[in-house]
Amino acid sequence: DAGVTQSPTHLIKTRGQQVTLRCSPKSGHDTVSWYQQALGQGPQFIFQYYEEEERQRGNFPDRFSGHQFPNYSSELNVNALLLGDSALYLCASSLRQNIQYFGAGTRLSVL
Amino acid sequence: AQKVTQAQTEISVVEKEDVTLDCVYETRDTTYYLFWYKQPPSGELVFLIRRNSFDEQNEISGRYSWNFQKSTSSFNFTITASQVVDSAVYFCALSEPTSGGGADGLTFGKGTHLIIQP
Repeated sequence: DAGVTQSPTHLIKTRGQQVTLRCSPKSGHDTVSWYQQALGQGPQFIFQYYEEEERQRGNFPDRFSGHQFPNYSSELNVNALLLGDSALYLCASSLRQNIQYFGAGTRLSVL
Repeated sequence: AQKVTQAQTEISVVEKEDVTLDCVYETRDTTYYLFWYKQPPSGELVFLIRRNSFDEQNEISGRYSWNFQKSTSSFNFTITASQVVDSAVYFCALSEPTSGGGADGLTFGKGTHLIIQP
């Protein structure tokens, strides 16, 4: 049974570019949440998708957007990249209110 | 607003020692969940425990134990007879259940880097 998978593993972009990160949830899970983890910090909640809709959002600007597909997989898009967007982006999946299980993350470097 | 404080940035102990990681939380809600996650160098957060705010019973799982005290808003984590493999960053987190289905986003502390020396 595959866990939460994220792609790509690593990514290097330059300021002003756009990036798309992908997440496949654990089998049987219907909810996907995205987190940003800066170096040496705890993960910060970006947003959560359930039934293909953004149902909750953390304190992140509109440059951060997402999508959930009918198969429950999800994408995180970041526009107009800033140096400060460099971080580990973690995806977590869950079945409604149950426990969130995390993927290994995508390491984004913005130069 | 929710907040989780892990005052210990880094702890270093020798193998076989017991170690306690502290977690203090703030929330205005009466119903909430508390969590501990482990993050090894690989980066993936590994779930350890979830505790409901209505259940203050302490829990033990092998060498791990958790002490939940609502009176002091604390949810501390103790590792007994620590091992080198326990070395990782440990995060305490808080969330609230939502109506209509779906899990709430987690609010994490900054983490405690635990180093177990052989």
